[in-house]
Amino acid sequence: DAGVTQSPTHLIKTRGQQVTLRCSPKSGHDTVSWYQQALGQGPQFIFQYYEEEERQRGNFPDRFSGHQFPNYSSELNVNALLLGDSALYLCASSGGTSVRKLFFGSGTQLSVL
Amino acid sequence: AQKVTQAQTEISVVEKEDVTLDCVYETRDTTYYLFWYKQPPSGELVFLIRRNSFDEQNEISGRYSWNFQKSTSSFNFTITASQVVDSAVYFCALSVMEYGNKLVFGAGTILRVKS
Repeated sequence: DAGVTQSPTHLIKTRGQQVTLRCSPKSGHDTVSWYQQALGQGPQFIFQYYEEEERQRGNFPDRFSGHQFPNYSSELNVNALLLGDSALYLCASSGGTSVRKLFFGSGTQLSVL
Repeated sequence: AQKVTQAQTEISVVEKEDVTLDCVYETRDTTYYLFWYKQPPSGELVFLIRRNSFDEQNEISGRYSWNFQKSTSSFNFTITASQVVDSAVYFCALSVMEYGNKLVFGAGTILRVKS
């Protein structure tokens, strides 16, 4: 039973570029959340997708957008990259949106030069 | 607003020592959940425990134990007889009912267990 899978594992971009990160939830899960973890800090909530709609959003600018597909997989898009966007991006999945245990992927390490 | 504070940035112990990781939280909600996650070098956050605000009973799972005290807004985590494999970053997190499973994390505590 595959857990949460994310791709790519590492990515290097330059300022101003756009990036797309991908996530496949754990089998049986229908809700995907994205978190940004800067070096030496705890993860920060970006947004959550359920039934192909954004259900909750954290304090992130509109440059951060997402999508959920009918198979529950999800993408995180970041436009006009800034140096400060360099971080580990974690995807988490769960069955439903209520409070419960989240399963996390190993993340995508994004470096913006 | 919700906030989680992990005052210990880094802790180093020698194998077989007991170690306690502190967590203090802030919320005005009466219904909330507290979590502990472990992050090994691979990066994946591994779930350890979830506790709701109505259950102050302490919990023990093998070498792990958790002490939840609403009076001091603390949810501390103790590892008994630590092992090298326990070396990781440990995060305490908070979720309130209103926001479903959105987690607010502390900054984390780096635990180094030396042999």
